[in-house]
Amino acid sequence: DTEVTQTPKHLVMGMTNKKSLKCEQHMGHRAMYWYKQKAKKPPELMFVYSYEKLSINESVPSRFSPECPNSSLLNLHLHALQPEDSALYLCASSLGLAGVVSADTQYFGPGTRLTVL
Amino acid sequence: GNSVTQMEGPVTLSEEAFLTINCTYTATGYPSLFWYVQYPGEGLQLLLKATKADDKGSNKGFEATYRKETTSFHLEKGSVQVSDSAVYFCALSEIAGKSTFGDGTTLTVKP
Repeated sequence: DTEVTQTPKHLVMGMTNKKSLKCEQHMGHRAMYWYKQKAKKPPELMFVYSYEKLSINESVPSRFSPECPNSSLLNLHLHALQPEDSALYLCASSLGLAGVVSADTQYFGPGTRLTVL
Repeated sequence: GNSVTQMEGPVTLSEEAFLTINCTYTATGYPSLFWYVQYPGEGLQLLLKATKADDKGSNKGFEATYRKETTSFHLEKGSVQVSDSAVYFCALSEIAGKSTFGDGTTLTVKP
């Protein structure tokens, strides 16, 4: 199983809503990532988890709150988002067996397309 | 800091044409280099990678060679197909967990 799954596929939310994005992998990977991708732009790294511990936070606003409940699951909790947060949110995972290494191949999920009204 | 520069697109080719997408990078150390492909409505898929100078990555007819002397990692394919139409991203990873992506090149292959 070389798949990273993400749910939901699409999400529309108001600025006062609270919602969560979910990401799952069963490849035994120990590093997991959240990216944000705007249309016609490359992905921007938001967070990296290594062995279920947050290792990188790219100065993301606190209205985005990541959580890694176990080695297979990664959540992104959303609260009080702005319309400019509308984007494709991509999850990825990599082996990370010796911590996260530069040569690790990242496997991406299909993304959640988020629209904030 | 690190940066990746890709040739500007979009690129439009006829089926069976030769493809080159240029990618050059700036890095302070010895990064790993990657090409990712993104089909419409999907996430990124790793196409190929190279982890040290002179390594050649290859997959599905695509090739790229890590050239340290020219800091380049150009993507090539001898004969493109309509199904190759997608956005292609060149990326480097030097600091563990942090990838730097190019802006992407949109390829359209016409029958």
